[in-house]
Amino acid sequence: EVQLQQSGAELVKPGASVKLSCKTSGYTFSNYYMSWLKQMPGQNIEWIGNIYGGNGGTGYNQKFKGKATLTVDKSSSTAYMDLSSLTSEDSAVYFCARVDYGGPGFDYWGQGVMVTVSS
Amino acid sequence: DIQMTQSPHSLSASLGETVSIECLASEGISNYLAWYQQKPGKSPQLLIYYASSLQDGVPSRFSGSGSGTQYSLKISNMQPEDEGVYYCQQGYKYPRTFGGGTKLELK
Repeated sequence: EVQLQQSGAELVKPGASVKLSCKTSGYTFSNYYMSWLKQMPGQNIEWIGNIYGGNGGTGYNQKFKGKATLTVDKSSSTAYMDLSSLTSEDSAVYFCARVDYGGPGFDYWGQGVMVTVSS
Repeated sequence: DIQMTQSPHSLSASLGETVSIECLASEGISNYLAWYQQKPGKSPQLLIYYASSLQDGVPSRFSGSGSGTQYSLKISNMQPEDEGVYYCQQGYKYPRTFGGGTKLELK
């Protein structure tokens, strides 16, 4: 069974950074891309970027360049996203989602993690 | 970026009713279109990919159609568990973009 398990909720101060994790199981991590997505309360879903589990190659939404950095640890089948220089606009739920092999969508999602930026 | 426009913003349906949700892309996306259902506090679930292919495990009352810039999701025989917010998403160009969502409620 494919599973994506995300780390717990974060409360961080403005200007700080946070690293989110997405530990996977049930499939060959290095054969798939992983995407990260942002959803503010009651709002649309935004695609942040994706990373290939095989070699760590990345692609970013221009909007999130400089804000998000994606990495992987193949040895533990875990994807990470660093968010830097946090502001209130970064308060949101963040999802990791596996990119459907050859398809247009995301076939498995993590449960999401709430990041709250507040002093 | 490709803009995805969904309509209606919200709708309510009676048990057993058939409903449709529309999604308009700002340019042609060659059927690289996915549909998701999201329930409160949960992550989105893939329903349809390549505009009309049903994801494994999704009930057959869900169906997708369309081409070019216009796509639709049809839910036949509305059930209580179909309540939620539905999103379309294009996978034709980067960055991937989503529609604004359609909230479906049981009347």
